[in-house]
Amino acid sequence: ETGVTQSPTHLIKTRGQQVTLRCSSQSGHNTVSWYQQALGQGPQFIFQYYREEENGRGNFPPRFSGLQFPNYSSELNVNALELDDSALYLCASSSTAGAAETQYFGPGTRLLVL
Amino acid sequence: TQLLEQSPQFLSIQEGENLTVYCNSSSVFSSLQWYRQEPGEGPVLLVTVVTGGEVKKLKRLTFQFGDARKDSSLHITAAQPGDTGLYLCAGGGGNTGKLIFGQGTTLQVKP
Repeated sequence: ETGVTQSPTHLIKTRGQQVTLRCSSQSGHNTVSWYQQALGQGPQFIFQYYREEENGRGNFPPRFSGLQFPNYSSELNVNALELDDSALYLCASSSTAGAAETQYFGPGTRLLVL
Repeated sequence: TQLLEQSPQFLSIQEGENLTVYCNSSSVFSSLQWYRQEPGEGPVLLVTVVTGGEVKKLKRLTFQFGDARKDSSLHITAAQPGDTGLYLCAGGGGNTGKLIFGQGTTLQVKP
């Protein structure tokens, strides 16, 4: 069974640029959630995708957008990057979108905005 | 707004000591998950508790979910240097399946 994978592992961008982060869910999982983790903090929920549709969104501006593909992999896109977007971006997959479902995390993508 | 507060935020102990980390909220959660995270890596699931009053043991780790499903604790017996890391509690609730995380407890176990 393949776990959650994310790419790239590290990324450096400048303010105002756009970035796309990728996530492959664990085999058998149809739900992907994205989180942002600033240094020294717990992860913050960005949004969740269930069967290719957005299924809930946290307190993030519209320049954070996402996609889920038929194979349940997902992308997180961030436009007009700001310095505060520097963080570890985590993807988590689960077998369904239910509130009690266990989420399994990937290793994350470390984004640095200069 | 659902919030989870973890305490303590930092803990530095000697090998062999016992410790307890607390995770508290004023909100009810459908489930409570505990994760351990190493620097630069994603959180790794330790346990999920879903029933009020539930107690789960994982070797030297004991997890408890409060009767009202608003709080949880993690107790480590005879801590070892390999237990060093960031411990996160996360509550699941609502229809979206989003997890609400506490701010984490950084544990350092000195040999």
